[in-house]
Amino acid sequence: QKEVEQDPGPLSVPEGAIVSLNCTYSNSAFQYFMWYRQYSRKGPELLMYTYSSGNKEDGRFTAQVDKSSKYISLFIRDSQPSDSATYLCAMSVKAAGNKLTFGGGTRVLVKP
Amino acid sequence: DAMVIQNPRYQVTQFGKPVTLSCSQTLNHNVMYWYQQKSSQAPKLLFHYYDKDFNNEADTPDNFQSRRPNTSFCFLDIRSPGLGDAAMYLCATSRYGGPNSYEQYFGPGTRLTVT
Repeated sequence: QKEVEQDPGPLSVPEGAIVSLNCTYSNSAFQYFMWYRQYSRKGPELLMYTYSSGNKEDGRFTAQVDKSSKYISLFIRDSQPSDSATYLCAMSVKAAGNKLTFGGGTRVLVKP
Repeated sequence: DAMVIQNPRYQVTQFGKPVTLSCSQTLNHNVMYWYQQKSSQAPKLLFHYYDKDFNNEADTPDNFQSRRPNTSFCFLDIRSPGLGDAAMYLCATSRYGGPNSYEQYFGPGTRLTVT
């Protein structure tokens, strides 16, 4: 069993819809949770960061962490074609100088 | 703009022929990482440097080596590439001890093909 599980998709939605992404994990020591966006043939870029359980909102993006269920989510409101990318969840035990454990990524396609 | 640069972007090598991938950064970050990402898979950490301290992941094959001659540069050496080493290799950096120390900044990657 992988340490972090993520549905590979692809997830296809019409422009303006809400995109819902999630990951489950098995390591209860994870405390730092991140979502990265990766465009084709580019490196990942950080979208959202959450420490421990709770919600965080940044513009059209909302990240949720439920440590009791070992489940994290990312919601994208009013999705745009430019949101079409692969979204990777990532987690770590420590804040810095430590490895990120990634999910396999979910490919999202927002159709105009 | 401060950034992470990887060269070359595409590399083709022959089976068993050593290859070196390069990463440089203008962010003055003290931690540098190398990840391997195979098609439609999660990036997998190979090793990282905290300053000059080298940290190897337990399951990184001996075929993979790294050098960090100074703060700005880091190299990934694959001594005898096999077909299974074809992948995207991602370099990332972070600043340990800074206000956003959790954030890793990734380069665009080098896509390695082994023939």
